[in-house]
Amino acid sequence: KQEVTQIPAALSVPEGENLVLNCSFTDSAIYNLQWFRQDPGKGLTSLLLIQSSQREQTSGRLNASLDKSSGRSTLYIAASQPGDSATYLCAVRPTTSGTYKYIFGTGTRLKVLA
Amino acid sequence: DAGVIQSPRHEVTEMGQEVTLRCKPISGHDYLFWYRQTMMRGLELLIYFNNNVPIDDSGMPEDRFSAKMPNASFSTLKIQPSEPRDSAVYFCASSQQGSETQYFGPGTRLLVL
Repeated sequence: KQEVTQIPAALSVPEGENLVLNCSFTDSAIYNLQWFRQDPGKGLTSLLLIQSSQREQTSGRLNASLDKSSGRSTLYIAASQPGDSATYLCAVRPTTSGTYKYIFGTGTRLKVLA
Repeated sequence: DAGVIQSPRHEVTEMGQEVTLRCKPISGHDYLFWYRQTMMRGLELLIYFNNNVPIDDSGMPEDRFSAKMPNASFSTLKIQPSEPRDSAVYFCASSQQGSETQYFGPGTRLLVL
């Protein structure tokens, strides 16, 4: 059974710091991995999607990497800002699942202090 | 487009009562998903539809839960009878055929007393 773990559960950093969020999964048989952002009281917003054949994806100050064989992904946030404060979730789509069926981690709650 | 619309945003009910959650997906989207989020279990997929047809309901916890999609612009998730352990935030999301990006609604926060 696929399990997704995110460490740390919470993180507080001063503004301007570069930071790394970690995601690990137990089964490397995945189609892809996505990183999401969730603001308090709101739904999820997709940030980056990495196909299983890819090593990384970039969008602005965000960079996500994938090491499928070791079951790990990282989300790198450069020059963090208070507006980056949110919960970040990763999710994998196992190859054994049906279309679009994702398994989510429990998230990392990030606070960027001004 | 207004995005995915869910109603109500908050629901407080007593154990044993019927609860109906509603969702309007983004126009033109072919897929609709219902998720449940709790502190203990995180975000879980309950059921999803493609072109109004249920494709995978293996995440529906019990027979007390049912979901329908009578047309492309409306879906309901019903809990009957409700129990305190059903308390959670329920999200609806939609996506287009061929796209991995799901667009989430703001969620319905359900509290069963």
